[in-house]
Amino acid sequence: DTEVTQTPKHLVMGMTNKKSLKCEQHMGHRAMYWYKQKAKKPPELMFVYSYEKLSINESVPSRFSPECPNSSLLNLHLHALQPEDSALYLCASSQATGNTGELFFGEGSRLTVL
Amino acid sequence: AQSVTQLDSQVPVFEEAPVELRCNYSSSVSVYLFWYVQYPNQGLQLLLKYLSGSTLVKGINGFEAEFNKSQTSFHLRKPSVHISDTAEYFCAVRGFRAAGNKLTFGGGTRVLVKP
Repeated sequence: DTEVTQTPKHLVMGMTNKKSLKCEQHMGHRAMYWYKQKAKKPPELMFVYSYEKLSINESVPSRFSPECPNSSLLNLHLHALQPEDSALYLCASSQATGNTGELFFGEGSRLTVL
Repeated sequence: AQSVTQLDSQVPVFEEAPVELRCNYSSSVSVYLFWYVQYPNQGLQLLLKYLSGSTLVKGINGFEAEFNKSQTSFHLRKPSVHISDTAEYFCAVRGFRAAGNKLTFGGGTRVLVKP
């Protein structure tokens, strides 16, 4: 059983919509991550939050806007997306950055942009 | 910077047969090594990891991997597979001081277990 919970599991949106993906963990982890995974490809890092502060942005377009309201929650706000943004979005957490702890992944939110 | 090569994109195997998934990496710094599994329509689950110490690492579900520093490899093995092992397997590395614990993934190996 995953201890990283993502909602919604599936999302269909138009290019003019605004939606959000949510991620929650209760393992006391202080680092949280967003990854994007296209079909038949490995996950690609988008953002890293460490102690609720954005520490890495992998040159992600501004139509993706992350937010970390507290140490347990991570959101990804979506606006004016393109069809090529359709993918599986994975959230992950770890004890902290800079240590040997592994990442725990959620089951993902599958996004379809029409 | 690191890179990871998984030499086989697909591996068909019969149930109860052994399987080996090959992973080679390159890095200018020391690395931690991981194998993740992704079942259909699910997220990634850690199978095992190598941080230090014994080069033979045992993981969940009967999998094991061996770190070979001279060959920069971290191959994954299972002596007898089950239908339920059908999944995508990703090898990943992380530099000792990688900013943000950034993982570099290989391209993945799709394992299809046949009855």
